[in-house]
Amino acid sequence: GQQLNQSPQSMFIQEGEDVSMNCTSSSIFNTWLWYKQDPGEGPVLLIALYKAGELTSNGRLTAQFGITRKDSFLNISASIPSDVGIYFCAGASGNTGKLIFGQGTTLQVKP
Amino acid sequence: DTEVTQTPKHLVMGMTNKKSLKCEQHMGHRAMYWYKQKAKKPPELMFVYSYEKLSINESVPSRFSPECPNSSLLNLHLHALQPEDSALYLCASSQELAGFTDTQYFGPGTRLTVL
Repeated sequence: GQQLNQSPQSMFIQEGEDVSMNCTSSSIFNTWLWYKQDPGEGPVLLIALYKAGELTSNGRLTAQFGITRKDSFLNISASIPSDVGIYFCAGASGNTGKLIFGQGTTLQVKP
Repeated sequence: DTEVTQTPKHLVMGMTNKKSLKCEQHMGHRAMYWYKQKAKKPPELMFVYSYEKLSINESVPSRFSPECPNSSLLNLHLHALQPEDSALYLCASSQELAGFTDTQYFGPGTRLTVL
């Protein structure tokens, strides 16, 4: 079945540093989504990407839909303590509503 | 407004109990989803409803019974659960199932503990 490889698995960074994480797949996706999840809460949508090559920003966050449609990355600039959480990528490729999730990147920010 | 609400926030139940989880959205979305999530893992899809009809059942045990009474509401009925069913149960909705309309918005979840 389809799988997403998300890396890194975890990151421990200093406040103010930039962060980069990515997801790759052997399959093509039509939609890439990036979510952030805080402990005990539901995932919150950060950025949605719908077109190969698309580069989209949301405040300090920037994400890109890879030109091959098999990968995506998320960058966070000038990290702050509230960026702490688990970040998930997710891809969709059909008309079923099924999302394929990456395993998540756990981000910790040291003040 | 991209809000999906879920009740209750927390639920503790015994293995012989019957309980229900509720999910509501008022975004006019026609697709709704139930997920199960274990700690530090990604959500696992359980059920998909499209236009109030069950579209996908990911081989979920019959002790979980979904219901979509109308386009805004989604229920998950629980009966004779096992301790390993303890997890965060997430509801999500999307405008529809395909293309630009398949972006899913999640609710805050129900933390279920089965004793």
